[in-house]
Amino acid sequence: ILNVEQSPQSLHVQEGDSTNFTCSFPSSNFYALHWYRWETAKSPEALFVMTLNGDEKKKGRISATLNTKEGYSYLYIKGSQPEDSATYLCAFYQGGSEKLVFGKGTKLTVNP
Amino acid sequence: NAGVMQNPRHLVRRRGQEARLRCSPMKGHSHVYWYRQLPEEGLKFMVYLQKENIIDESGMPKERFSAEFPKEGPSILRIQQVVRGDSAAYFCASSPVGGSGNTIYFGEGSWLTVV
Repeated sequence: ILNVEQSPQSLHVQEGDSTNFTCSFPSSNFYALHWYRWETAKSPEALFVMTLNGDEKKKGRISATLNTKEGYSYLYIKGSQPEDSATYLCAFYQGGSEKLVFGKGTKLTVNP
Repeated sequence: NAGVMQNPRHLVRRRGQEARLRCSPMKGHSHVYWYRQLPEEGLKFMVYLQKENIIDESGMPKERFSAEFPKEGPSILRIQQVVRGDSAAYFCASSPVGGSGNTIYFGEGSWLTVV
């Protein structure tokens, strides 16, 4: 059974704070890691697809890093804004499979 | 360019009835995935389909659940004789090609409540 763990489960920060969360996944037979941003009552929105060890991706104030050897990825948000409030999901693809295995997400609340 | 469209958004069924959930993928996408989110759980893979073919249904319960993606029309997830434990949010996603290194695009989900 593949397990994808995300921590923390939830996080409250003040506007302007920078923050980061962790996604842990099996390091064997790695193929890809996806990050999604999910606002309540909307569809999960793809942020990054990461495939190579050492990958770093950036989109505005959000960036992510990937370590496939030790099985973790970090998502960073610089200068959080209230509109960043959402649940951030990571999902893991193992080689030979077409199914994403999701973590339960980190729920971020940014207080103005 | 419309995104992945799911309907109905909310569906209430009595125990024993059938539920049909529809998913129209994004234009040009021929790969469809269904995921389910049970209360307090993460998204769980159910089935992966290409036009007229089921590619991977390893996440589907063996009984009462079926999925199709016909040559014409939306993908359908069908749940027969629903039970309370089927109450969940069902999400469809699509992609233009298969392959786990590609982005898949999600719909807004269909919430099934079984009373």
